[in-house]
Amino acid sequence: DIVLTQSPGTLSLSPGERATLYCRASQSVSSTYLAWYQQKPGQAPRLLIYGASSRATGIPDRFSGFGSGTDFSLTIGRLEPEDFAVYYCQQQGISPTFGPGTKVDIK
Amino acid sequence: QVQLVQSGAEVKKPGASVKVSCKASGYIFTSYGFSWVRQAPGQGLEWMGWISAYNGNSNYAQKFQGRVTMTTDTFTSTAYMELRSLRSDDTAIYYCARDHSGGSYELAYWGQGTLVTVSS
Repeated sequence: DIVLTQSPGTLSLSPGERATLYCRASQSVSSTYLAWYQQKPGQAPRLLIYGASSRATGIPDRFSGFGSGTDFSLTIGRLEPEDFAVYYCQQQGISPTFGPGTKVDIK
Repeated sequence: QVQLVQSGAEVKKPGASVKVSCKASGYIFTSYGFSWVRQAPGQGLEWMGWISAYNGNSNYAQKFQGRVTMTTDTFTSTAYMELRSLRSDDTAIYYCARDHSGGSYELAYWGQGTLVTVSS
């Protein structure tokens, strides 16, 4: 199985700051098959980005996805109060896997 | 609007089985597939497998092969996940999630989750 590593484990930032989260795969992943999710406490995850860089329906344009091969990133342009959450990357190969998550919390 | 409504919380003893349902509405049921994803308390997300609502084809994570069965009922627009031989480390919230596009594993719509507790 492809193993995804996310960094940092926790990102402490203030509202209005820019956040960059990283996802590294143990082997190359097609850009078509890399997604990002946001999860808030007590809620189901929400799809943010698919195909490495396409925003899902209703996702604000402050969320941007980049990357290819084994290295991907999610950038949140200016953090809003509702953006403080845990973010997971997912690869959708034959056997999909999730990364361990990055928690974005308020500094 | 697309909605996925899951069955209620379950408490099971080790060795038992659990079957979780996921009733879909707001779209053509057979046009998309379902993944099942679980999340142990305080932990991350774990993909368990996928089933096509069109033809019943399935793809299970190797970890769950032989212990999980995913099915769909097109008449009631409901997906099911049965997990057998439960252990304490199966205690988790189990989510159903619908494909973003037919046959993909991008999970665009999620159920509310079903807590399964395995305890003697």
